[in-house]
Amino acid sequence: LAKTTQPISMDSYEGQEVNITCSHNNIATNDYITWYQQFPSQGPRFIIQGYKTKVTNEVASLFIPADRKSSTLSLPRVSLSDTAVYYCLVGDTNYGGATNKLIFGTGTLLAVQP
Amino acid sequence: DARVTQTPRHKVTEMGQEVTMRCQPILGHNTVFWYRQTMMQGLELLAYFRNRAPLDDSGMPKDRFSAEMPDATLATLKIQPSEPRDSAVYFCASGLTRDLTGELFFGEGSRLTVL
Repeated sequence: LAKTTQPISMDSYEGQEVNITCSHNNIATNDYITWYQQFPSQGPRFIIQGYKTKVTNEVASLFIPADRKSSTLSLPRVSLSDTAVYYCLVGDTNYGGATNKLIFGTGTLLAVQP
Repeated sequence: DARVTQTPRHKVTEMGQEVTMRCQPILGHNTVFWYRQTMMQGLELLAYFRNRAPLDDSGMPKDRFSAEMPDATLATLKIQPSEPRDSAVYFCASGLTRDLTGELFFGEGSRLTVL
């Protein structure tokens, strides 16, 4: 079972770049790393997903070192509206790789201040 | 704009009553998840389906919870009898996945309060 460890909370200011790191020491070969964002009273929302190296989309970048035991979500120039909980997930392979379960960790509460 | 629809959005009931939560996944999605969220436990995976078949429900209390997909447009989560400790927000999510590398789309949740 690939478990994840993230900081419980982080503080930032508007306009800054924020990097949230997630540890997943027991990640398996077939596991992907996915990040979700959750606002209060809403369901989680997909941000980005990757397997190795770097992935970038319109909202974030995901950096994954060669050993894949950790990953870093990078949010460029955050705004107040980025205040949310950010979850790192690692696909949990079961049944010989034919199926997976997506297990959410505790998440990181990012608070962006003016 | 395709989205996952959950009903009811809010439910208050008394201990011992049956509760049924419904989810309409996004049309064409082949995977459906049920999660439960509380302050103490965070997001817990209860069950998940692929192509309407239950693949894993190990996170669900078997004696009182049941999850089904009677057809591709409907997933249900039933609690009978309900208990105060079942109070939580229940999320349904759907995705079109192969080995679950795809994005999951979550509904807005059903907030359950059991008195």
